[in-house]
Amino acid sequence: GENVEQHPSTLSVQEGDSAVIKCTYSDSASNYFPWYKQELGKRPQLIIDIRSNVGEKKDQRIAVTLNKTAKHFSLHITETQPEDSAVYFCAAGPNTDKLIFGTGTRLQVFP
Amino acid sequence: SAVISQKPSRDICQRGTSLTIQCQVDSQVTMMFWYRQQPGQSLTLIATANQGSEATYESGFVIDKFPISRPNLTFSTLTVSNMSPEDSSIYLCSAIERGGVYEQYFGPGTRLTVT
Repeated sequence: GENVEQHPSTLSVQEGDSAVIKCTYSDSASNYFPWYKQELGKRPQLIIDIRSNVGEKKDQRIAVTLNKTAKHFSLHITETQPEDSAVYFCAAGPNTDKLIFGTGTRLQVFP
Repeated sequence: SAVISQKPSRDICQRGTSLTIQCQVDSQVTMMFWYRQQPGQSLTLIATANQGSEATYESGFVIDKFPISRPNLTFSTLTVSNMSPEDSSIYLCSAIERGGVYEQYFGPGTRLTVT
């Protein structure tokens, strides 16, 4: 069945450094790729998304890139801050509704 | 974005019993969903809650175990039936806004522990 792989499972960075999380999907029909941030005990929150008609999208310190040919997409966080510490999930689907989530990346930003 | 609330926020239940979780959205939404998130794990879609008709279940989930209702455009319930310790998990509802930018938002979750 459809699958989304996410790497790394944990990531530790120093405050101010960049963090990159990568995901690979299997379903070629996927056209929508959101990223969610989940702080401990909280709900997943959408932080950025990209659709298959664009290759890159940026929102302040966060950017997402998409390579449809290779079926992978990445989240880039620049100038990381301690409040960026959380679990990040990528997801993929043909549209907004049928999402398959990656396994998650626990990001720790050390002051 | 739509504000989603869930009740209860957490519960401890005995095996063999059932629990109904409520999900309320503050505006009309196009679609509503139910997910399960086991401790430290990812999110798995249980089903799509369809207004006025039977829910659409994903592989591995069945109506007898997880009956779902959606009587209108802002409310849905998920029942976890005949519970076992393996059902201990966080159950999250989500929704896609009607006429919005079609992004999926999540409720705060219900933490269920089955003893």
